Amino acid sequence: QKEVEQDPGPLSVPEGAIVSLNCTYSNSAFQYFMWYRQYSRKGPELLMYTYSSGNKEDGRFTAQVDKSSKYISLFIRDSQPSDSATYLCAMSAMDTGRRALTFGSGTRLQVQP
Amino acid sequence: GAGVSQSPRYKVAKRGQDVALRCDPISGHVSLFWYQQALGQGPEFLTYFQNEAQLDKSGLPSDRFFAERPEGSVSTLKIQRTQQEDSAVYLCASSFGQGQNIQYFGAGTRLSVL
Repeated sequence: QKEVEQDPGPLSVPEGAIVSLNCTYSNSAFQYFMWYRQYSRKGPELLMYTYSSGNKEDGRFTAQVDKSSKYISLFIRDSQPSDSATYLCAMSAMDTGRRALTFGSGTRLQVQP
Repeated sequence: GAGVSQSPRYKVAKRGQDVALRCDPISGHVSLFWYQQALGQGPEFLTYFQNEAQLDKSGLPSDRFFAERPEGSVSTLKIQRTQQEDSAVYLCASSFGQGQNIQYFGAGTRLSVL
């Protein structure tokens, strides 16, 4: 079983829909949680960065972390065709001195115009 | 440039050849990371440098993989005697360090071993 699980999709939604993307994890030492967006043949681009539990909002994007359930979410409001990409969750446990990010396998999102 | 730069963008190698992949991190970033991304998967950690010191190489899959960052800036990932299973995208990331771990990625080098 992988440390971070993510539904690979594809997830297809109409333009303007609210999108919900999720990851679950097993390592309780994870404290830093990130969402990256990756377009085809490009590198991952950081969207959101949160520490510990709680919510964080940035424009159309909201990240939620529930450490008690080991569950993180990314919500995209008013989705656009330009949001079509693969979304990767990533986590790290820096308190252990380990700086490597552990990624989910990515969810492919398609926003239909 | 402002971002992480990787070269070459594409590399085709015959099985058994050695390859060298270059990463130029964001100026001033202390930490540098290498990841391997197989098709349809998330990136997997290979190794981590803080300045010129290689502090974590736990993700390197075999002793054919070697990374260096001799002057604490540019890094090279070398793969000796390439195998077909080495075909993947190799991503480099850098971060400012100093307590935060926000990693910024380059576009990657796509390696195909024939």
